[in-house]
This record gives sequence, structure tokens and C-alpha cells, in this order.
Amino acid sequence: DTAVSQTPKYLVTQMGNDKSIKCEQNLGHDTMYWYKQDSKKFLKIMFSYNNKELIINETVPNRFSPKSPDKAHLNLHINSLELGDSAVYFCASSHGWENIQYFGAGTRLSVL
Amino acid sequence: DQQVKQNSPSLSVQEGRISILNCDYTNSMFDYFLWYKKYPAEGPTFLISISSIKDKNEDGRFTVFLNKSAKHLSLHIVPSQPGDSAVYFCAASAPVGTGANNLFFGTGTRLTVIP
Repeated sequence: DTAVSQTPKYLVTQMGNDKSIKCEQNLGHDTMYWYKQDSKKFLKIMFSYNNKELIINETVPNRFSPKSPDKAHLNLHINSLELGDSAVYFCASSHGWENIQYFGAGTRLSVL
Repeated sequence: DQQVKQNSPSLSVQEGRISILNCDYTNSMFDYFLWYKKYPAEGPTFLISISSIKDKNEDGRFTVFLNKSAKHLSLHIVPSQPGDSAVYFCAASAPVGTGANNLFFGTGTRLTVIP
């Protein structure tokens, strides 16, 4: 059983499109995160979210938005995709705000 | 700006020898440090961690050392095995918001253990 799963694994799309990446965790965690790994392999936090608080990294464009239908899911919506959005996006989860986070396998987004 | 740095992008070690991976940080607010291991096409998996109140934590073949005054930590793997070949990420945690913590990652060191 995959603890943190992301779909799709690969996503190829045109500039200007709107896309979503789904994330689900079956660990019973109540806190979830989205990270972006750019071409320099730099893993950077985008959002941290639990049912009490959403923390947005100030460098994230407002074209990106997290949507959480329930505690086990945190989806990432991206509007008006740009070339610079091409990256690998990782979802993660933790119990509360505990430091140890568990990651999904990543979604490789390519914007053409 | 990058608050966690891994200055060695790659490291090769003979099987059975010690692997030492280094990490430096700049933010004195970091209070918890972690090492993650990543295989290709997989997400990072948690390996070992250390709180800022300690200077050493050991788990089997893996030991993490923390030198707060130097803002430096290292991961020792003894003995190294071919299955340890992966990219290792150093991460540091800082409090943000009300009770929240965010992880700040280094860019990783690719370890190759040669049989």
C-alpha cells in the first residue's frame, strides 16, 4: 500500500492551460504539503496545510492553489501554466506539525 | 536564498568503507535536522534525524552529527553498501506560523557505493 500517492506521475501540457495534481495519503495524517523541485534539484516548500492553518510560501505565484476536500487529500491546482512551472512536484504529509514528513513519488510536469 | 547547503553534489565510496555526507546551514532558528534518501523516480524517504539539543544520533549503520556552533551536520554510513547508492538530502526545520514547521532542503549529494 502506497502511503502517499500522487497522480498523475507525468503531466505534459501546453502553456496557458489549467491543470491539477492529486495527492492522497493513507497514513492518517492531518497535515499535508506541496514541494517543487526545480531543474537545479532544489526542493522548496510551496504550501503547508492542516485543518487549522494554510501557510503559503510567499514566492509561490497565486496561479497555484491547494484544495483539500478532506484530511487525506491535498490537490494542487495550477492556472495559466507557464514554461517556468516545469518541475517535479512532491506531495508530503505528517502527523500534526511534526518534523518528519512522508513524501509521494512526485509528479513530473512539463509545460511546452 | 538557500539556507541549507550541500556543497558536494556527488560522492563515491568503496563498499564496506565509511561514507560521510556533509551539510551546512545558515539559519540559527533551525531546531531540527533530517536526512532523506531518494532513489530515482521515487519520493524522498526519511532516514534519520536529530534535534538541536543533541549532537549525535545513531540508528544502525547511520549516524548523524550536529555541530551547532559551526552550523554543520554530517551523515556517516558505516559500512557502506551498494544499496545505499542514492541521492541524500539534508533538511532543516524551522517554526513558521502557529505551531507549524517547514522543511528547508539542500540540493542533495549523490552517493555511489562501488562493489
